[in-house]
Amino acid sequence: EAGVAQSPRYKIIEKRQSVAFWCNPISGHATLYWYQQILGQGPKLLIQFQNNGVVDDSQLPKDRFSAERLKGVDSTLKIQPAKLEDSAVYLCASSLGDDRGLFHNQPQHFGDGTRLSIL
Amino acid sequence: RKEVEQDPGPFNVPEGATVAFNCTYSNSASQSFFWYRQDCRKEPKLLMSVYSSGNEDGRFTAQLNRASQYISLLIRDSKLSDSATYLCVVNAAGGSYIPTFGRGTSLIVHP
Repeated sequence: EAGVAQSPRYKIIEKRQSVAFWCNPISGHATLYWYQQILGQGPKLLIQFQNNGVVDDSQLPKDRFSAERLKGVDSTLKIQPAKLEDSAVYLCASSLGDDRGLFHNQPQHFGDGTRLSIL
Repeated sequence: RKEVEQDPGPFNVPEGATVAFNCTYSNSASQSFFWYRQDCRKEPKLLMSVYSSGNEDGRFTAQLNRASQYISLLIRDSKLSDSATYLCVVNAAGGSYIPTFGRGTSLIVHP
């Protein structure tokens, strides 16, 4: 079974520039998550999709971050404009899931992440 | 109070030791629980799910205490390769199941 694919692996940009990350979840996984992980901290959920609908985006800084999952499969996360404090690893994960929460006990599977450095 | 709390450690133990970590959660409506392992500069990987009845996988045992709102992870006969950060995840119900990670507990197993 192919895992969660993310690209790019690394990205270095200057502050105020824009950047986009891409994620392809495990086939058949309806739920997709984007996390931000700052060094020494646990992953912080930015946005959770159920198919192509947003389940939770309460911690997404919407003035600069946006995410979409138009066809319920691949997803992109964008930052525009980037700030120094956005330097982090951006992790994508997927899990089985459905609108009725029947698979809430299914674990998440993570991609390798994108390591973003802001200069 | 944070939703999910873990002692960051590090826990420094010799090979062969038994070590235990706890993870407390504040939302009593939490429904599912997991332990993940994260190696340095790698992504989190599922270690085990935590069931109400507890579960065991080799040297690893996970328990859930709903009354006191915590989960635990016990590692017996520690190996050098167990050195990593251990993250707990709690899924809270509320229409949808939103996961919250703890900050992780660092384990260092030395010879």
